[in-house]
Amino acid sequence: EDQVTQSPEALRLQEGESSSLNCSYTVSGLRGLFWYRQDPGKGPEFLFTLYSAGEEKEKERLKATLTKKESFLHITAPKPEDSATYLCAVEGGSEKLVFGKGTKLTVNP
Amino acid sequence: KAGVTQTPRYLIKTRGQQVTLSCSPISGHRSVSWYQQTPGQGLQFLFEYFSETQRNKGNFPGRFSGRQFSNSRSEMNVSTLELGDSALYLCASSLGGTGEKLFFGSGTQLSVL
Repeated sequence: EDQVTQSPEALRLQEGESSSLNCSYTVSGLRGLFWYRQDPGKGPEFLFTLYSAGEEKEKERLKATLTKKESFLHITAPKPEDSATYLCAVEGGSEKLVFGKGTKLTVNP
Repeated sequence: KAGVTQTPRYLIKTRGQQVTLSCSPISGHRSVSWYQQTPGQGLQFLFEYFSETQRNKGNFPGRFSGRQFSNSRSEMNVSTLELGDSALYLCASSLGGTGEKLFFGSGTQLSVL
């Protein structure tokens, strides 16, 4: 059974304080690892897809990396508007998307 | 380009009733999937429809069902509601290939009293 574990559950940062979110996964036949951002009262918003170990993708202050067992979402010099819940998900051979429970990020000004 | 639209936004029902939720995908998207989100379990996959056929199903009881119409719009039905069905129900659409990103609606917040 595909599984995704995200850590930490919650993270508080000061504006400009860089950090990383972790996503550990087990999956049979990885077809894609996804990062989404979810703001309160809204549906998740797509950030990145990673397909194979060693792959990296960047967007503004965010950078996602992938190994065979985990993915990291690095946040460089975060701003208050980066506050949100970040969700990691994997799609394997079952073609069902399995989500982690998310990391709630708060960036204080 | 319009996003994924879910109606209604909020719904209050009592135990034993049934409910129907609606989802209009992004134009041109043929896949619609449904998720249940609760604070304790997070986002859990309910089912996926592609070209009016259920292509995949999660581990939920048969009280949860869905369908997709020829215009790709989808409905989800929950019969004999239980207190534990209180959740945010999210619909997502995509072109339908594997490993594709999903576009989510804002969800329907269902409260069962």
